[in-house]
Amino acid sequence: GQQLNQSPQSMFIQEGEDVSMNCTSSSIFNTWLWYKQEPGEGPVLLIALYKAGELTSNGRLTAQFGITRKDSFLNISASIPSDVGIYFCAGQLSHSGYALNFGKGTSLLVTP
Amino acid sequence: SAVISQKPSRDICQRGTSLTIQCQVDSQVTMMFWYRQQPGQSLTLIATANQGSEATYESGFVIDKFPISRPNLTFSTLTVSNMSPEDSSIYLCSVAGGLDTEAFFGQGTRLTVV
Repeated sequence: GQQLNQSPQSMFIQEGEDVSMNCTSSSIFNTWLWYKQEPGEGPVLLIALYKAGELTSNGRLTAQFGITRKDSFLNISASIPSDVGIYFCAGQLSHSGYALNFGKGTSLLVTP
Repeated sequence: SAVISQKPSRDICQRGTSLTIQCQVDSQVTMMFWYRQQPGQSLTLIATANQGSEATYESGFVIDKFPISRPNLTFSTLTVSNMSPEDSSIYLCSVAGGLDTEAFFGQGTRLTVV
């Protein structure tokens, strides 16, 4: 599969701070997805992006599909302790059906 | 989104044995996938489970080691054969379908091989 570069690898922040993480790829993706995974659980879909330049929000989360179709970012505003988890970006290549290529994840820790 | 149930949720197995993981979806879905997540790592696609035909495996994964069945549009199994400690991972079932390309995941099966 295609390699996605996700950064930062980890973040340790205080409650109330904003968070930003991003993914880049050498390939053009048809779709970008952002997932959150908590211990002992499967990844849960947060936001799906389908068009270059698309900006989508889900509560305190905002994600954008880069114009070049090779990158995406996820912002979390006013973080709270329950935001703790590992966030993964995933991209779908236009010719590979629905199978996803995942980034290595961003581990987020939020202190009260 | 579809509700995906995986069984077992976790297991500890002896090396050399095999384990079959089940994935049940509450609605018919076009695509089903199996992923592996090694400890502290990201998700890697093992194969696409094709209904009524042989699964499509990714590079580095073979049918003899990870046989997959998909008898209908709501069910699939993944078998991890002749296990070794290196197979200790979380195995995840994923589904997609409809007009959009979102993929949804089961809760995973945490496998430990001793």
